[in-house]
Amino acid sequence: QQQVRQSPQSLTVWEGETAILNCSYEDSTFNYFPWYQQFPGEGPALLISIRSVSDKKEDGRFTIFFNKREKKLSLHITDSQPGDSATYFCAASGVNAGAKLTFGGGTRLTVRP
Amino acid sequence: EAAVTQSPRNKVTVTGGNVTLSCRQTNSHNYMYWYRQDTGHGLRLIHYSYGAGNLQIGDVPDGYKATRTTQEDFFLLLELASPSQTSLYFCASSDLRGATEVFFGKGTRLTVV
Repeated sequence: QQQVRQSPQSLTVWEGETAILNCSYEDSTFNYFPWYQQFPGEGPALLISIRSVSDKKEDGRFTIFFNKREKKLSLHITDSQPGDSATYFCAASGVNAGAKLTFGGGTRLTVRP
Repeated sequence: EAAVTQSPRNKVTVTGGNVTLSCRQTNSHNYMYWYRQDTGHGLRLIHYSYGAGNLQIGDVPDGYKATRTTQEDFFLLLELASPSQTSLYFCASSDLRGATEVFFGKGTRLTVV
């Protein structure tokens, strides 16, 4: 059973549009949700994160919206740029998870110029 | 920025063969992790460690052993490699439990023929 799910698996947007990447989770004890960005040939790198006490986290063009009741979150990338083309992973950890991060399956984003 | 170095970057082995993947981190992080990445599954945790001599079981440990020899070095061992272990392997490290940034290496692509 996959604890963290992402949709869509792939997404294509035009330059300047807003890309919306979705994530949901099963474990109600999860309280930390980072998003990682991965370019081909590289390891994932932390992009932005949110804790469950907040419902929104913004960093430049990247915003996480968090709905604790529905166990859902989304990553919005405004004014998408071709350089944002990458795979994005939603992850989660919590009080019962110790040092473990559980990752979703990823969303492959393509931004067309 | 934390540095995590993996070797080799690419490896081909035969079914039933012995493989050791190496990882070194240079920022004195307590936690080190081994993940495998497969399309549609995201990153799945194999083993992790919170210090030299310590080993914790991850979510997909079958067929893998690991050993943390020093604060810096973490090894993943496949003693009887199978084609199902063909994957992209990532080593990672972090300073504290759970809710902190995890730094990834560039990955090792392993093919078992």
